[in-house]
Amino acid sequence: AQSVTQLDSQVPVFEEAPVELRCNYSSSVSVYLFWYVQYPNQGLQLLLKYLSGSTLVESINGFEAEFNKSQTSFHLRKPSVHISDTAEYFCAVSNTNAGKSTFGDGTTLTVKP
Amino acid sequence: GAGVSQSPRYKVAKRGQDVALRCDPISGHVSLFWYQQALGQGPEFLTYFQNEAQLDKSGLPSDRFFAERPEGSVSTLKIQRTQQEDSAVYLCASSLVARLASTGELFFGEGSRLTVL
Repeated sequence: AQSVTQLDSQVPVFEEAPVELRCNYSSSVSVYLFWYVQYPNQGLQLLLKYLSGSTLVESINGFEAEFNKSQTSFHLRKPSVHISDTAEYFCAVSNTNAGKSTFGDGTTLTVKP
Repeated sequence: GAGVSQSPRYKVAKRGQDVALRCDPISGHVSLFWYQQALGQGPEFLTYFQNEAQLDKSGLPSDRFFAERPEGSVSTLKIQRTQQEDSAVYLCASSLVARLASTGELFFGEGSRLTVL
């Protein structure tokens, strides 16, 4: 069995400030890790993923996440946020042999001017 | 179409009614998933198809829930004798390949919001 804990349900920040959205997981086997983003009135879409190799992964819009196996974490960071980053962010984990992903309860990021 | 399409987007049902929710995945996608998302929570896995085969239905909460994908493309999630606790957003997602982890990407529809009165 696997589980995901997103430690903050809501994160308000001012524009151009740095942000970190925290995600911890538990699993007895090797996993793949994902961050999905859901903008208002849209479906979830993949932001970035860790499958193997470098533990630091980046998205095209400036987000990055680092896989830390010893701390079982996959925190999402951005050095300077924009108003357009306002959305709900979901961390997810997948067993490397399974078809399904397990999701956290989400973190609502609100960027204020 | 270009993305995963779900219908209806909104459904209000009286307790005890049967409902059917439809998902049109991206053309050619092998894998199809159904998730249930209650208010304030993340998506919870319901069931998984690889083509027309239902390989995992461990997340279906009761025998009132039934899903099918008879021709390996469109899928329908049916809920019989709806209860208030069934109120949620039902998400459909598809993936190009059979093993999700090999691409790591699910493409989600916008969901069908079910409200049971």
